Amino acid sequence: KAGVTQTPRYLIKTRGQQVTLSCSPISGHRSVSWYQQTPGQGLQFLFEYFSETQRNKGNFPGRFSGRQFSNSRSEMNVSTLELGDSALYLCASSVSGTGNTEAFFGQGTRLTVV
Amino acid sequence: AQRVTQPEKLLSVFKGAPVELKCNYSYSGSPELFWYVQYSRQRLQLLLRHISRESIKGFTADLNKGETSFHLKKPFAQEEDSAMYYCALLSSGSARQLTFGSGTQLTVLP
Repeated sequence: KAGVTQTPRYLIKTRGQQVTLSCSPISGHRSVSWYQQTPGQGLQFLFEYFSETQRNKGNFPGRFSGRQFSNSRSEMNVSTLELGDSALYLCASSVSGTGNTEAFFGQGTRLTVV
Repeated sequence: AQRVTQPEKLLSVFKGAPVELKCNYSYSGSPELFWYVQYSRQRLQLLLRHISRESIKGFTADLNKGETSFHLKKPFAQEEDSAMYYCALLSSGSARQLTFGSGTQLTVLP
């Protein structure tokens, strides 16, 4: 069974640009959550999608957005990039995101903003 | 708002010694608590969850609602236990969110 796949693994962008990250969940998983990981702030929840709907959102500015497709694949978009957006972005998938279900993480996308 | 605190950023123990990684939480509802582990160059993965009351790789964790703690323990640490450990809380209700602590880097010395 393939794990959670995130693409690309590495990205370098310039301030002001926008970026789109992709996450393919484990087959059969309908919930996809996104996290930002930085040395200073640790792992912070961005948002969760379930059946193409955003079900929950963390405390991030509107520049951070996402969506989920009918095949449960999810994309995260960051517009008007800032230096502080440099981080490892992780996505996690689970069967439903509710109840006692395990979240499986991808390897992450390392975003560097210069 | 929910909060997870791991007071130790770094923890070193010798092989064979007991180890305890501390985790305290703040949450008004009924929490579900987890320990996640990230070994070097590997992805974050679930180690154990409180509701299962299981022991994984010799690790156990007991939820203490009175002290709002969920400390991770192992009686005899092994070198392969060296990793980053994150305590996490899953909120209840319709908007379920996994909140992580800042993590503890455990190093088991030979």
